[in-house]
Amino acid sequence: QKEVEQNSGPLSVPEGAIASLNCTYSDRVSQSFFWYRQYSGKSPELIMSIYSNGDKEDGRFTAQLNKASQYVSLLIRDSQPSDSATYLCAVKIWNYGGSQGNLIFGKGTKLSVKP
Amino acid sequence: EPEVTQTPSHQVTQMGQEVILRCVPISNHLYFYWYRQILGQKVEFLVSFYNNEISEKSEIFDDQFSVERPDGSNFTLKIRSTKLEDSAMYFCASSPGTGTDTQYFGPGTRLTVL
Repeated sequence: QKEVEQNSGPLSVPEGAIASLNCTYSDRVSQSFFWYRQYSGKSPELIMSIYSNGDKEDGRFTAQLNKASQYVSLLIRDSQPSDSATYLCAVKIWNYGGSQGNLIFGKGTKLSVKP
Repeated sequence: EPEVTQTPSHQVTQMGQEVILRCVPISNHLYFYWYRQILGQKVEFLVSFYNNEISEKSEIFDDQFSVERPDGSNFTLKIRSTKLEDSAMYFCASSPGTGTDTQYFGPGTRLTVL
């Protein structure tokens, strides 16, 4: 059973602080990793993708991947109240029959940034 | 910027009725997906579609479900005989197929089965 685990939170941080979101996955052949943001009642919105071990930075966001530990994280620097949302970790396992493979989502971590 | 669109935004139906949810993927994308999210739960994969056929489906995607790409732009999900437990948000997603495997999600259709 392929699973993606996230702490459901809520994670509460003050405005301007760093928010740290964590995710673990069960399947060692997972190849692509994504962070999506989901506001209440809305669809997942892509924040970042990461494929290789190490860090990947995009503006205030940094994704970190450690395949040996089956762990992926997202850091949000200088958190803003508008960052308050649920953050979904998603993992893709490529298939061998011509499909790019489906995403397996975690339950998401609810982040609240207090002004 | 191109977006995935979905219609309707909200569909209310009676148990046992058929519903068709519609999606227009991003132009030139090759891979299409349906996911669903029951209120308060995780996003779950239903089916993927490539080259005019289903490439993968989950256990949720039973005989009550079907997908079609009736023309060059629309991608539909049909639920033949809706059940109360089909009430959920249904998201369509598409992926280019070349250069990136990122999936872009539409705004969703909220299906309410009474």
